[in-house]
Amino acid sequence: SQQGEEDPQALSIQEGENATMNCSYKTSINNLQWYRQNSGRGLVHLILIRSNEREKHSGRLRVTLDTSKKSSSLLITASRAADTASYFCATDARGGSEKLVFGKGTKLTVNP
Amino acid sequence: KAGVTQTPRYLIKTRGQQVTLSCSPISGHRSVSWYQQTPGQGLQFLFEYFSETQRNKGNFPGRFSGRQFSNSRSEMNVSTLELGDSALYLCASSSTGSAEAFFGQGTRLTVV
Repeated sequence: SQQGEEDPQALSIQEGENATMNCSYKTSINNLQWYRQNSGRGLVHLILIRSNEREKHSGRLRVTLDTSKKSSSLLITASRAADTASYFCATDARGGSEKLVFGKGTKLTVNP
Repeated sequence: KAGVTQTPRYLIKTRGQQVTLSCSPISGHRSVSWYQQTPGQGLQFLFEYFSETQRNKGNFPGRFSGRQFSNSRSEMNVSTLELGDSALYLCASSSTGSAEAFFGQGTRLTVV
């Protein structure tokens, strides 16, 4: 079952621009994570934000979490062609029976 | 430290057959989870094993089963394959108490 919904489904930008992706979820969570997937391969963990945190940074990544709106955003600054990938949010739901519940992802294309 | 290893990487099977996929977690990780990824349904949780016990299970038919060995290696089995089982099957391992999941490269299963 999909808990998270990413928005937009696809995003195309130029190198150097910022990319913002949004994620909404349905139930109370312990934490929310963002993953990257290159071309149908394995997922790579990017960043985790706990339910009591509002913002977190890691290099060129900035994640925000608004538990009142059940939403999160991922900002990639100064994007590079190598950032081209699909990005997924995943929630670790409180009391949930699933390990991680993923959204459908945002496909990001960064044009050189 | 070696990452999560999944074998085989690619597999072609005929409808009605059964298949076994293997996953070796990162050394020291005792939690192994399996996910199915398809274009239509996205990433869906199959099951999670911890110390040889199934801890959580997703909403999949009984044809999908798994197990975990004492060395934390895990296998999943799909019996009576259907065309709709064609997917990328991803395995992830986590250390005890950590929400972060480390994914393997996946096994691409094609059912013809």
